[in-house]
Amino acid sequence: DQQVKQNSPSLSVQEGRISILNCDYTNSMFDYFLWYKKYPAEGPTFLISISSIKDKNEDGRFTVFLNKSAKHLSLHIVPSQPGDSAVYFCAASTGGGGSNYKLTFGKGTLLTVNP
Amino acid sequence: DTGVSQDPRHKITKRGQNVTFRCDPISEHNRLYWYRQTLGQGPEFLTYFQNEAQLEKSRLLSDRFSAERPKGSFSTLEIQRTEQGDSAMYLCASSRAGRHNEKLFFGSGTQLSVL
Repeated sequence: DQQVKQNSPSLSVQEGRISILNCDYTNSMFDYFLWYKKYPAEGPTFLISISSIKDKNEDGRFTVFLNKSAKHLSLHIVPSQPGDSAVYFCAASTGGGGSNYKLTFGKGTLLTVNP
Repeated sequence: DTGVSQDPRHKITKRGQNVTFRCDPISEHNRLYWYRQTLGQGPEFLTYFQNEAQLEKSRLLSDRFSAERPKGSFSTLEIQRTEQGDSAMYLCASSRAGRHNEKLFFGSGTQLSVL
């Protein structure tokens, strides 16, 4: 059973426009959510996170929105840059932010930002 | 941070052979994790250590797999009698327990190909 779902395998956007990556989850016990970015031949790198007590978290060009009632989160990248081209993984845990060892990942979305 | 280091980066082996991977975590991190990623999937949790104690193992970790972390520093993951289904990227990550909004830092992984 896929508890974290990223239904779009790929997304292509123009440089300077907004990229919106979506993620849905089924486990209502998840209370901490993270986005990781992965370049080819490298491990995932942490991008941004959000606790279930919030509905928005911003860090520079990256904003994550959480809709608990819909069990949905999204990552917004504004403005998108060619260097943002990578696979983006949504991940969730039940650790409350202090024990995130057992992350459950989605399958990832390949973002391509065209110059 | 010098980063999480994994060795080797690539391993090609024949079915039935044993393989061992090594992970060196970020030096001040007391938690160490192993994840596995197959093509088209997100990383899946295998096991984790706090210091030298192995605190949890996924059911994905069959009895052919063994992980150790002697002295709470580096870790090894051994796969005995490899099977073609073991072909995957094996990712190691580390973190510092007790920090609010604990983040996992991943290494670049070991790509295993079983022929």
